[in-house]
Amino acid sequence: QVTLRESGPALVKPTQTLTLTCTFSGFSLSTSGMCVSWIRQPPGKALEWLALIDWDDDKYYSTSLKTRLTISKDTSKNQVVLTMTNMDPVDTATYYCARGTRSSYDNGYYFDYWGQGTLVTVSS
Amino acid sequence: SYVLTQPPSVSVAPGQTARITCGGNNIGSKSVHWYQQKPGQAPVLVVYDDSDRPSGIPERFSGSNSGNTATLTISRVEAGDEADYYCQVWDSSSDHPHVVFGGGTKLTVL
Repeated sequence: QVTLRESGPALVKPTQTLTLTCTFSGFSLSTSGMCVSWIRQPPGKALEWLALIDWDDDKYYSTSLKTRLTISKDTSKNQVVLTMTNMDPVDTATYYCARGTRSSYDNGYYFDYWGQGTLVTVSS
Repeated sequence: SYVLTQPPSVSVAPGQTARITCGGNNIGSKSVHWYQQKPGQAPVLVVYDDSDRPSGIPERFSGSNSGNTATLTISRVEAGDEADYYCQVWDSSSDHPHVVFGGGTKLTVL
């Protein structure tokens, strides 16, 4: 049974750095074709992809946010950590982590298991 | 940067067929995945690799992809299908491959 759970602060101040942890079970991030990704959703708005780390420790970032994001994994702890610097009120959103499985037809991923999300509010 | 375009809303009566489109430049050359999201819940994968269904997803959900348009089709629509639907691809056309989501379509069951 695959599960993912996001954890981190519910409230951060502007200019602070956000650190979110995704703790997962039921799969190994050392398995070929697996990844874990972070996706966020501002209230009432669409999904926005942030970052992804795969079994081979390759990392991919949103073009518009890559200067602020760092993703890392601890395979022994079954955790993936996302840091986002210089937080702003527009970063207020529900942050999801999701397991990705490699597509059969291209080198991309789809997200077959999601955490329940954690709401992060940026406010002074 | 690759853009996926979805209609903001689609309305359909119960028992009818809903078709939600996802437009992108030569999207037919990419693998398209679809998610259903109900209010207050995390997204759920309903179709992957254009037309495959995860276990537990009803056969009423199907997908197709050709040319510049991918389509999620929901047959015999039920009230419980009312949700937001998102398409997603992997864009490897640049030096920095990345995930792209469409803007989402709200399906209303009349």
